[in-house]
Amino acid sequence: QVQLVQSGAEVKKPGASVKVSCKASGYTFTSYDINWVRQATGQGLEWVGWMNPNSGNTGYAQKFQGRVTMTRNTSISTAYMELCSLRFEDTAVYYCARGGDSSSVDYWGQGTLVTVSS
Amino acid sequence: SYELTQPLSVSVALGQTARITCGGNNIGSKNVHWYQQKPGQAPVLVIYRDSNRPSGIPERFSGSNSGNTATLTISRAQAGDEADYYCQVWDSSTEVFGTGTKVTVL
Repeated sequence: QVQLVQSGAEVKKPGASVKVSCKASGYTFTSYDINWVRQATGQGLEWVGWMNPNSGNTGYAQKFQGRVTMTRNTSISTAYMELCSLRFEDTAVYYCARGGDSSSVDYWGQGTLVTVSS
Repeated sequence: SYELTQPLSVSVALGQTARITCGGNNIGSKNVHWYQQKPGQAPVLVIYRDSNRPSGIPERFSGSNSGNTATLTISRAQAGDEADYYCQVWDSSTEVFGTGTKVTVL
């Protein structure tokens, strides 16, 4: 079965960087896009960006341009999202999710809590 | 940027029908997807491409999309349907999520 398993919770100081991993299994990693979506406590879903694991091509939400980098290691079916220059308002659960039919998102990871605190 | 507007909350009596709307400019020309999210859990895709149900999603969930409004319908609502629901479209190389609707089953 399709699974996306993310790395554990992180606590970072303002200005630091965080790198979250997402290990895929149960399907061919390079055949589906990986999206990253975040959710602050009590708030809605916010799209961060996407990556094509086959080509490495990426697309980022304008809000995160210049601060986010999405990469992958196809040999271990793992995608990564790095967010730098962290701010208090970046505190959120970050989800990786597989791109599905017609730009839907059909499978989600369990989420990684990133806390930015001084 | 494209915006999707949902009602903040919808209440439905047990066994009755809930309708959740998602408003957007000419949304009828786009593919709309819907997600269910229960507290402390990741979202789950319940409808894709306007009206299609993924495997394992009950037939009680259905969707439609026309003009400036897409609608998720939950028939014969159950207590387990209590959750937040989000619509989503792809626009200008961006995934756009709706504001979210909390569904309460009375």
